[in-house]
Amino acid sequence: GDSVTQMEGPVTLSEEAFLTINCTYTATGYPSLFWYVQYPGEGLQLLLKATKADDKGSNKGFEATYRKETTSFHLEKGSVQVSDSAVYFCALGLINQGGKLIFGQGTELSVKP
Amino acid sequence: SQTIHQWPATLVQPVGSPLSLECTVEGTSNPNLYWYRQAAGRGLQLLFYSVGIGQISSEVPQNLSASRPQDRQFILSSKKLLLSDSGFYLCAWRGTGYYEQYFGPGTRLTVT
Repeated sequence: GDSVTQMEGPVTLSEEAFLTINCTYTATGYPSLFWYVQYPGEGLQLLLKATKADDKGSNKGFEATYRKETTSFHLEKGSVQVSDSAVYFCALGLINQGGKLIFGQGTELSVKP
Repeated sequence: SQTIHQWPATLVQPVGSPLSLECTVEGTSNPNLYWYRQAAGRGLQLLFYSVGIGQISSEVPQNLSASRPQDRQFILSSKKLLLSDSGFYLCAWRGTGYYEQYFGPGTRLTVT
């Protein structure tokens, strides 16, 4: 079945460090891919998206590229800030199944000053 | 612009009591609507989705049900809550022709 696997957390980094959070997926069709971010006690916010192979999504310094050959959508940021501390979720979207999202388990990021 | 509301924000209910959580969307027409549950503060599980009024798809057999009485209203219900129903319930919407979903602020339910 369709699924998403994310790297285990928590990830702890110092401010201005480079961030990578790995995400791989399994899907029978051609899903769209997303990264969402969740701050404590809040709902999820869309961080970035990619709807087809080789698309690069970017927002607020974060980037991820839809790699069909490796079924991956890794999240990167060149220099993290304390305010980036949150839980990050990778998700795939199935447009032919009502657009439902299948989420990874989430990766908690903690950035220390 | 579009906004999504959920209420209540927090709810504490005894086992065996009924439940009604409401979600409404403003600023869009005929959205797809979704209910997710997040247990233990982490992974999200899709419970129900709706592509139109009165159209509900159930993803996981649950002690829960959903209804969509109006175009921009989505309700999650239970006749008798279980302890295992505790969690953070999130409603989301997706516009026609769009791939992404937008989430509401969530309802934290504690069943005691």
